[in-house]
Amino acid sequence: SYVLTQPPSVSVAPGQTARITCGGHNIGTKSVHWYQQKPGQAPVLVVYDDSDRPSGIPERFSGSNSGNTATLTISRVEAGDEADYYCQVWDSSSDHLLFGGGTKMTVL
Amino acid sequence: QLQLQESGPGLVKPSETLSLTCTVSGGSISSISYYWGWIRQPPGRGLEWIGSIYYSGSIYYNPSLKSRVTISVDTSKNQFSLKLNSVTARDTAVYYCARHGDVTISYLRWLVDHWGQGTLVTVSS
Repeated sequence: SYVLTQPPSVSVAPGQTARITCGGHNIGTKSVHWYQQKPGQAPVLVVYDDSDRPSGIPERFSGSNSGNTATLTISRVEAGDEADYYCQVWDSSSDHLLFGGGTKMTVL
Repeated sequence: QLQLQESGPGLVKPSETLSLTCTVSGGSISSISYYWGWIRQPPGRGLEWIGSIYYSGSIYYNPSLKSRVTISVDTSKNQFSLKLNSVTARDTAVYYCARHGDVTISYLRWLVDHWGQGTLVTVSS
């Protein structure tokens, strides 16, 4: 079955750039969505279809997807960006919605 | 503005059936444009998709839960529901109901753009 692999944690200083990866076999052929989840809250969609942003999401959030890795990039990181981030795809070969294991981003 | 609200017991005994309902307001569950889904999150762990349903009854389930799960829709009440039988402590989680993206656009169909606030269900005797 299809598996999405994320690093458990990343740490970044304020003002720097954070990159969170999501690995999967030929993930570049799939549409990847990213969610931000803060403690005690429901997830929020921050990037969809690899690189598009929903309205209201800052331009600091961007995404890319190629080969076996999709990446969420957060530029000019702020303290308020500290959260768990999840990637998500639909695996059409098994009709199965999948989430990555999540990455906890800490702002130093 | 679309809102989703989960409701149901917060405590279920082992081997019994977990039942939750999601009430949709600010939009119609009969919309031809969206699937509606259930997602759960065990305490301190990641997100797990349970299944999703279209108003007409088309359903997709997580293969790992399929044998225990039933999702249904009640268009007259603008609600959809989850039943998970033979629960164990491993089913303890926050359960979210959710709306997916525009079904007519393949690359948007399975994103989740609206979430309920989530409800914690504990399985314990």
